[in-house]
Amino acid sequence: QKEVEQDPGPLSVPEGAIVSLNCTYSNSAFQYFMWYRQYSRKGPELLMYTYSSGNKEDGRFTAQVDKSSKYISLFIRDSQPSDSATYLCAMKDTGFQKLVFGTGTRLLVSP
Amino acid sequence: KAGVTQTPRYLIKTRGQQVTLSCSPISGHRSVSWYQQTPGQGLQFLFEYFSETQRNKGNFPGRFSGRQFSNSRSEMNVSTLELGDSALYLCASRAEETQYFGPGTRLLVL
Repeated sequence: QKEVEQDPGPLSVPEGAIVSLNCTYSNSAFQYFMWYRQYSRKGPELLMYTYSSGNKEDGRFTAQVDKSSKYISLFIRDSQPSDSATYLCAMKDTGFQKLVFGTGTRLLVSP
Repeated sequence: KAGVTQTPRYLIKTRGQQVTLSCSPISGHRSVSWYQQTPGQGLQFLFEYFSETQRNKGNFPGRFSGRQFSNSRSEMNVSTLELGDSALYLCASRAEETQYFGPGTRLLVL
């Protein structure tokens, strides 16, 4: 079983929809949680960063972490075709810089 | 600030050869990590360097090595290339607990 599980998709939604992306994990030592966006043939771009449990909002993006359930989510409001990309969750524990990634969810937003 | 830069962007090698990839972190960042991305395995951690010292290493064979220079620039070397080494190699520059990735070097081994 992988340390981080993520549905690979693809997830297809119409423009303007609310998108929900999720990851589950097994290592209770993880304290830092990140979401990256990766366009085809590009490097991952950091979208959201959260420490421990709770919510964080940045524009159209909201990240949620539920450590009791070992479950993290990324919500995208008013999705746009330019949001079409692969979304990777990543996490790490304190003091250790190795990021553990999910497989990524491919999102397609149609006009 | 300029982002993380990686050179070369694309590389084609044959089995048995060796390759060296370069990474320049964001100005002021002293930590550099390397990752391998493949369709089958996703993103996997190779190693991390901080102030010219390797601090963490992933589960890769000894053919994969790296180093960091006093200006924080880092190089990664893969010796005796295998077909399975074909991948996107990503470098990440760290500020506190956050890592910022470069565009990657796409390596194709024939």
